[in-house]
Amino acid sequence: KNQVEQSPQSLIILEGKNCTLQCNYTVSPFSNLRWYKQDTGRGPVSLTIMTFSENTKSNGRYTATLDADTKQSSLHITASQLSDSASYICVVSLEEAGGGNKLTFGTGTQLKVEL
Amino acid sequence: NAGVTQTPKFQVLKTGQSMTLQCAQDMNHEYMSWYRQDPGMGLRLIHYSVGAGITDQGEVPNGYNVSRSTTEDFPLRLLSAAPSQTSVYFCASSPDRRERPQHFGDGTRLSIL
Repeated sequence: KNQVEQSPQSLIILEGKNCTLQCNYTVSPFSNLRWYKQDTGRGPVSLTIMTFSENTKSNGRYTATLDADTKQSSLHITASQLSDSASYICVVSLEEAGGGNKLTFGTGTQLKVEL
Repeated sequence: NAGVTQTPKFQVLKTGQSMTLQCAQDMNHEYMSWYRQDPGMGLRLIHYSVGAGITDQGEVPNGYNVSRSTTEDFPLRLLSAAPSQTSVYFCASSPDRRERPQHFGDGTRLSIL
């Protein structure tokens, strides 16, 4: 069964500190992996997309890494800010016959940044 | 630049009632989809459309209908609301089925009593 597991479930850090969120998946055949940020009461917003051949992608203070051999990804947040408080969702895309993609969503890591 | 607009933002229904959740996008995207988000679960695909006049079922389609008469609009209909359909519903769009990320709306929070 195609699954996406994220850890930790929740995390509290102090403003200015770095943190790393983990995503393990069993999806195959793999097409791409995405990280989304979801603020409370809002829809998810894309942070990064990585294909099989990419092992790192940055978006400002957010850096995602991918190890397709071990089926693991991480999202590293540098110099956290209060506005980083959100749920971070890992999404893995399964390549389908006919050219489509099927997305499997993780349940997210709830990050809280405190003063 | 509105992006994906969902209405209403909140709704309370009684069991058995029907209603339509509206979704509109102004980016001329061909691919649109509906998801539901429940506590402790990842987003699940309800229905999707690869273009005007074309719709298909996702992972959890039972109890929902969709239509796509224009590129811009993709309404989701609850035929006879059940408490199990209490959820947050998100509409999303992207240029095509393979080109992601999707652009999500801010959701409709639906409670069925």
